[in-house]
Order: sequence, then C-alpha cells, then structure tokens
Amino acid sequence: NAGVTQTPKFRILKIGQSMTLQCAQDMNHNYMYWYRQDPGMGLKLIYYSVGAGITDKGEVPNGYNVSRSTTEDFPLRLELAAPSQTSVYFCASSYSARATEAFFGQGTRLTVV
Amino acid sequence: KNEVEQSPQNLTAQEGEFITINCSYSVGISALHWLQQHPGGGIVSLFMLSSGKKKHGRLIATINIQEKHSSLHITASHPRDSAVYICAVRNSNFGNEKLTFGTGTRLTIIP
Repeated sequence: NAGVTQTPKFRILKIGQSMTLQCAQDMNHNYMYWYRQDPGMGLKLIYYSVGAGITDKGEVPNGYNVSRSTTEDFPLRLELAAPSQTSVYFCASSYSARATEAFFGQGTRLTVV
Repeated sequence: KNEVEQSPQNLTAQEGEFITINCSYSVGISALHWLQQHPGGGIVSLFMLSSGKKKHGRLIATINIQEKHSSLHITASHPRDSAVYICAVRNSNFGNEKLTFGTGTRLTIIP
C-alpha cells in the first residue's frame, strides 16, 4: 500500500517556467490537499478537493492551478514560476473532512531561480 | 498574532527525559491534530483530539477546550523521537476542509 505518492522530490525551475507536481493516493480518499511549507511558517493550504471534479481554493492559491479528474490523482500546476514559490510542497489526503488521520506525501522541494 | 502558537520553538533534552510540547489556539475548534515531521521531511499524523486525552505508546496528547490549550507529552524520550512536532486545528467557524498549522517545535534528543 503506497499511501500518498508525490513526484518529483526535488526540482529547480527558472523564473517563468511551468511545471506540474504530481500527487497520487491509493486509499480511495475523497479529500485531497496541497500545502506549502515555508521556513519558520506553518503549512499553508493552497488548494483542496472533496472529490473527483470538485476543487476549491485554500489560503494561498495565487500562481497555482489544480485539477481532479480521478479520485486517485490531484496534480498541482505552476504556470509562471516566481521566486516567491520557492518552498516545500506537500500533498495530503483523508477519507473525510472529519477524518482522524491525514496522510501526507514525502514532499517536493522546489527552488525557483 | 497567529491563531495557533506552539512552545517551545526548539527543545533539546537528554535521552530518557519526559518531554512536554505546548499548543495554544485562539479560535473555536472542532478538532486538534498533532503531527510529526521527520528529519527527512515526511509528515505523519499522531493524534486527533476533540476532548480529553489520548495515548499511543510513549506519546500522550491532552486538550483543554475551555483554556484553548493542548499538550503533547513523550515519556522515556529516545533519539528516534527527534523530529519537528506540529499542532494543527480545525476551525469550527469555517468549513471543515481547513486546518491551521502551528510553526512546529523542533525536538532533539541527545543520547
């Protein structure tokens, strides 16, 4: 059982480039989330999804897009990378909003130069 | 002021010591989570609390809803407990999709 799988683990982007962070879960969870973690700050919610075809903005959505075409996959798209998007990104999933446990991916460390 | 405050920010202790990490919050909540972030970066859920106390192995988590405070205790600490411990609350004033996270407590256990 793989849990939540994020790829890539590390990436360096130049300003203005685009990329997609991949996230997949094999637990049939309805809820999926993207967070970013900046040094000295708590995790901030970028986007979340409550099921296939349904997504919504979190606290810091600007500069990002998401889609949820299947229950398993929840990719995060950066269209025009900026230095302010240098961060560690975590994907997470849970069975429901009130679930006792959320499962996190291993994180993607992104540097924009 | 952050909605979720953790203390201390950093904690270094000798192996075997009893550890307490604190979390205070300023909003009404429906649940509080404790998470552990390993040195390699991975995050795992430890507990979810809405009242009282939970225990798992050497870890104990308590919450006082009236005082808006939670503590995470580690008994007989071990170097493998070295990690960042994160408190997160589910704000009852918003949809249940949103967790607000503390900045974490970095724990180092010296052999």
